[in-house]
Amino acid sequence: LAKTTQPISMDSYEGQEVNITCSHNNIATNDYITWYQQFPSQGPRFIIQGYKTKVTNEVASLFIPADRKSSTLSLPRVSLSDTAVYYCLVGDLNDYKLSFGAGTTVTVRA
Amino acid sequence: DAGVTQSPTHLIKTRGQHVTLRCSPISGHKSVSWYQQVLGQGPQFIFQYYEKEERGRGNFPDRFSARQFPNYSSELNVNALLLGDSALYLCASSLAPDRNTEAFFGQGTRLTVV
Repeated sequence: LAKTTQPISMDSYEGQEVNITCSHNNIATNDYITWYQQFPSQGPRFIIQGYKTKVTNEVASLFIPADRKSSTLSLPRVSLSDTAVYYCLVGDLNDYKLSFGAGTTVTVRA
Repeated sequence: DAGVTQSPTHLIKTRGQHVTLRCSPISGHKSVSWYQQVLGQGPQFIFQYYEKEERGRGNFPDRFSARQFPNYSSELNVNALLLGDSALYLCASSLAPDRNTEAFFGQGTRLTVV
């Protein structure tokens, strides 16, 4: 399984864009990049998934360069309710388990 | 539609006791996974079941066991509880094994071992 590295924490203010970069230097050809969000005392929630280039949904955008050795989750115009831990996962769609690291704690301030 | 439901939400047990945690997946989901999340860390994989068969097991001792029923609900059993088993236990469901990366998690069961 590809190992991921992401910042431990990030601070932001309401209305700003938050970009979290995840490094995954040994990503395999069949691996996808998936991001989850977790609020305290709740289970993680799927945010977005991609293989290459750019993916956008109603919540976030995911940017993946051509070499796929990193990816950036972009949260537009964050609010206080976006304060959470964000996890970057890399793996094959057929993997039977999700491998979570420590995640990035994003704190949004007023 | 109901999401993934877990019971109980909180539980306090004494060292050496046994515990059973329950999970009902989203309707139509046939794959159920269990994770343990210790405070300050990411969830760690324990088991995955698909169509009532164990498909994967994480690095947990034999005191941990699970099963999946014909209605796709699942139980996680932990024997001989240790203080270190105190954690949030999460259940996740997905449509099929090739959709595991888009898993839906329940709220979890907070287990405290004293």
